[in-house]
Amino acid sequence: NAGVTQTPKFQVLKTGQSMTLQCAQDMNHNSMYWYRQDPGMGLRLIYYSASEGTTDKGEVPNGYNVSRLNKREFSLRLESAAPSQTSVYFCASSETYSNQPQHFGDGTRLSIL
Amino acid sequence: GENVEQHPSTLSVQEGDSAVIKCTYSDSASNYFPWYKQELGKGPQLIIDIRSNVGEKKDQRIAVTLNKTAKHFSLHITETQPEDSAVYFCAASGLSGNTPLVFGKGTRLSVIA
Repeated sequence: NAGVTQTPKFQVLKTGQSMTLQCAQDMNHNSMYWYRQDPGMGLRLIYYSASEGTTDKGEVPNGYNVSRLNKREFSLRLESAAPSQTSVYFCASSETYSNQPQHFGDGTRLSIL
Repeated sequence: GENVEQHPSTLSVQEGDSAVIKCTYSDSASNYFPWYKQELGKGPQLIIDIRSNVGEKKDQRIAVTLNKTAKHFSLHITETQPEDSAVYFCAASGLSGNTPLVFGKGTRLSVIA
């Protein structure tokens, strides 16, 4: 039972470098999400994909782009990394967009120097 | 949009005692309220959820209560054990705005043996 798989688990970047975080789910879920988690801030939604072929901005989208590659995969890209993007990034999925439990991966810990 | 407040931010209890975490929400249209447990180095894991047509739900040592009139819901853990030590997040469905789930900022629960 893999659930939601995120790669890589850890990454260190220099300011200005680019990076793509990968996420895949094997639960046949329609909706997928990217969150960032910072100390004392809880989970904040970056982007989401309510269904295959659609993506929308969440609460904190600036500096990020996403691609819903197919039903299983949803990637998050940092085009020009900044120290403020140092965080733990979580991918999640749910059967449908609203009023459904979200299932999370174990995160990517990203440090930007 | 929805706003979720969670209290307390930290909670220490003796093993065997009960723990209660409280959340309030602002959008009276919200109708789905999950609770997540996050262990160190892991992603949040759903432990229990409740929908607005139910006032209380139990699962072994865990229970959630919902008061729609007052717009608050609570997590109750009885007979706490050291393995209950973790960060707990509440969330509420955000039917308005651009996020399907709005999370509280978390409660760090420590169970002292």
